[in-house]
Amino acid sequence: AQSVTQLGSHVSVSEGALVLLRCNYSSSVPPYLFWYVQYPNQGLQLLLKYTSAATLVKGINGFEAEFKKSETSFHLTKPSAHMSDAAEYFCAVSERYNQGGKLIFGQGTELSVKP
Amino acid sequence: NAGVTQTPKFRILKIGQSMTLQCTQDMNHNYMYWYRQDPGMGLKLIYYSVGAGITDKGEVPNGYNVSRSTTEDFPLRLELAAPSQTSVYFCASSLPSSGSGTADTQYFGPGTRLTVL
Repeated sequence: AQSVTQLGSHVSVSEGALVLLRCNYSSSVPPYLFWYVQYPNQGLQLLLKYTSAATLVKGINGFEAEFKKSETSFHLTKPSAHMSDAAEYFCAVSERYNQGGKLIFGQGTELSVKP
Repeated sequence: NAGVTQTPKFRILKIGQSMTLQCTQDMNHNYMYWYRQDPGMGLKLIYYSVGAGITDKGEVPNGYNVSRSTTEDFPLRLELAAPSQTSVYFCASSLPSSGSGTADTQYFGPGTRLTVL
């Protein structure tokens, strides 16, 4: 069965530092891939998604992610962290032929940004 | 557009009680979903619906029921609450741009925090 692994349940960076959040999937057929962000006490909102166009995907708030088929990865990056980036980040996959567009989520990575 | 709305925001139940979590969307989305979020576990799909009158089980359906009589509403029913159902529940919806909806963005409500004591 498809699974999603996010390496690191907590990541802490200094303001202005590079943000790197890791995501690996298990499917042999590349799925559609998503990154969602959850700010405290809110629902999730989409940051970006990969749907088999360009492998480097740009999202909101300066985030981007690169799909690497050989590594089965879809890591999220941002060159310079802001305090407002502190949130929980979820990687999710949707298998290409699944009925209903169901998402499988990773465990989440909580990002802390130090001043 | 209000988007996806959920009520109530918080609820405390006693073991064995029942309740319905309400979810409404005003975006005319065909697909709707219920997830539960537990610390360190990500989100798990409980039930989903691809249109009025059509529902199906997700990964963790035991102890829950759903119905979809209209496009807008997708209530989740807990019949006999158990401590294991203490969680945060999220409703989401999407408008499938292709037949299966596999690449579409899901829009989430603000969540319902449920505690069963």
